[in-house]
Amino acid sequence: KNEVEQSPQNLTAQEGEFITINCSYSVGISALHWLQQHPGGGIVSLFMLSSGKKKHGRLIATINIQEKHSSLHITASHPRDSAVYICAGKDAGKSTFGDGTTLTVKP
Amino acid sequence: DAGVIQSPRHEVTEMGQEVTLRCKPISGHDYLFWYRQTMMRGLELLIYFNNNVPIDDSGMPEDRFSAKMPNASFSTLKIQPSEPRDSAVYFCASSYGYGYTFGSGTRLTVV
Repeated sequence: KNEVEQSPQNLTAQEGEFITINCSYSVGISALHWLQQHPGGGIVSLFMLSSGKKKHGRLIATINIQEKHSSLHITASHPRDSAVYICAGKDAGKSTFGDGTTLTVKP
Repeated sequence: DAGVIQSPRHEVTEMGQEVTLRCKPISGHDYLFWYRQTMMRGLELLIYFNNNVPIDDSGMPEDRFSAKMPNASFSTLKIQPSEPRDSAVYFCASSYGYGYTFGSGTRLTVV
């Protein structure tokens, strides 16, 4: 069992839909990191959060420390949001990665 | 700022050869990370440095792998000798506080 688990593994949505990707972890962490990897392979850091909620544009990330759970939400999804979304539990510099969620947004 | 710069972008080498991957972090960032990504294992943290000092190398798969950071603006990841199972994309990232920036990666193919 992976120490960081994401769901769903694959997600297909229509443009404009609200999207939620979930991440549960069983390890002790100091922060939860959300990454986005585009089909070309580049990785972008979206959020690092240790409590509460963060928002950037159409992206919202939340974390519940007691439940060891984080969610990434995308409002008004767009085909350009199609990517692999990876969560990682961080403890100091060490990271434990989830397997990623592949999101496809169809026009 | 040009971001985190990795070189080369692609490397194809024969089994048994030495391979050196290079990374230039963002100026002012105090952490540097080396990651490996494969289809089978996903993203894995290999090693990370804080202020040029290696902090945790427990992710380095074998003694064939070594990493150095001689100064704040340069790091190398070396594989000697290389094997086909080392084929992967190797990412370097640097951070300061909560801000992370990844390089574009080096795609290594060992034949």
